[in-house]
This record gives sequence, C-alpha cells and structure tokens, in this order.
Amino acid sequence: DSGVTQTPKHLITATGQRVTLRCSPRSGDLSVYWYQQSLDQGLQFLIQYYNGEERAKGNILERFSAQQFPDLHSELNLSSLELGDSALYFCASSVAQAGAGAFFGQGTRLTVV
Amino acid sequence: GNSVTQMEGPVTLSEEAFLTINCTYTATGYPSLFWYVQYPGEGLQLLLKATKADDKGSNKGFEATYRKETTSFHLEKGSVQVSDSAVYFCALATDSWGKLQFGAGTQVVVTP
Repeated sequence: DSGVTQTPKHLITATGQRVTLRCSPRSGDLSVYWYQQSLDQGLQFLIQYYNGEERAKGNILERFSAQQFPDLHSELNLSSLELGDSALYFCASSVAQAGAGAFFGQGTRLTVV
Repeated sequence: GNSVTQMEGPVTLSEEAFLTINCTYTATGYPSLFWYVQYPGEGLQLLLKATKADDKGSNKGFEATYRKETTSFHLEKGSVQVSDSAVYFCALATDSWGKLQFGAGTQVVVTP
C-alpha cells in the first residue's frame, strides 16, 4: 500500500460528458502529480501541484483541469470527453525533491463509450 | 529535451534465469534515476533509485548502477521468480520538483 488513495477505481461514461477523479496523497506529502497511461502513448505527465499551487504542466489538454485543495487532496477534471481519453489516470505524491521519487495510487480506469 | 529509452519487450525468461533490462537516458544536468514496477491491475511501485553517478540502487534482489559515462541505468536480477512477472519502467527526474519522465516500459514474463 503506497498510501496514495484514488477514487473511483473504474469509471465508464459517454462521450461529451465530464468526470472528476480524486486523489488523496500520502500523509506529509505536499506535492501531487497526475499521469495518464495509455497503450499508444505510455505514461504521460499531465500536471503537478505543490501545496495548492500549480508547479508544472505537461501534456495536459485544455479540456482537462486540476486543483489541489487546502487539505492537499487533488481533483482532476476531464470534460467534453472523447473516445481517445479512455486510459488509466494515476495520481502520485511526493515530498517534491529530485531524488525522492514519487508514490503512486492504484489509478482510475476511465472508459469513454 | 530529456528522454528515457528502454529495451522493448516482452522479455520471456524461465524461473531462476538472469534478468537484464537496458535503460539509457538523455538529460541536461544531473538527473536522479529510478526503476518502477507495475504488476497487473496495479499502480506503479518504486523499486529502486540512484541520485548520483556510480550510486547503486538495490531492492528485492534487483540492482541498478548509475553510469554517467554511458548514460545508463540497467536493471538486473540474478535469479527471477514467476512473481517478478510485471512491467518495469525506467524514469528520471531533473527538476527540483521531482517530476518524473518515464520510458516506454518493458514487460517481463517469467515461466515456471
């Protein structure tokens, strides 16, 4: 158990809809990262928050947004969903140092039909 | 830009065989290097790491040495078990905020 909790584990929704994925980081970790894992693109970094502030942005679509709340949990919002958004979405948390590594949740499997 | 290249899989081995997964990287500065493992249906688990040249990371019988001269971080295990069947990811972090960049992953299948 990594200590990072993601909900829900599975999500099936229709094209054009909006969903929210939730992540609770490990106790004491101030940084949260979101990654997308798909068969064709592998593991792609989406966005990072540190103590409520956005710190880095990767290959995140404009239809996607995220935030980190005062209690440090984070939400990833995906809107106007397309079939190609079907993927595993992982949240990770860390102390945000280059050598620390990050601890991953179990992921949310999103299926867009 | 930064990048991580891993050998393609799947790698199929018999139990007790020697495992090597090659990983090379391109990065500016001095990255920290990691190996993560993903078992079927699960998230990624940090397997081992190294933060400077010549450091050796080790865990659960796996080892990898940070080779700056060859920009490599190859993963090795002397005697694999069926339970080592998983996808292995090499990754690097270059910025102080710890953002990870991953290789494509290498699937390892160990047969009895």
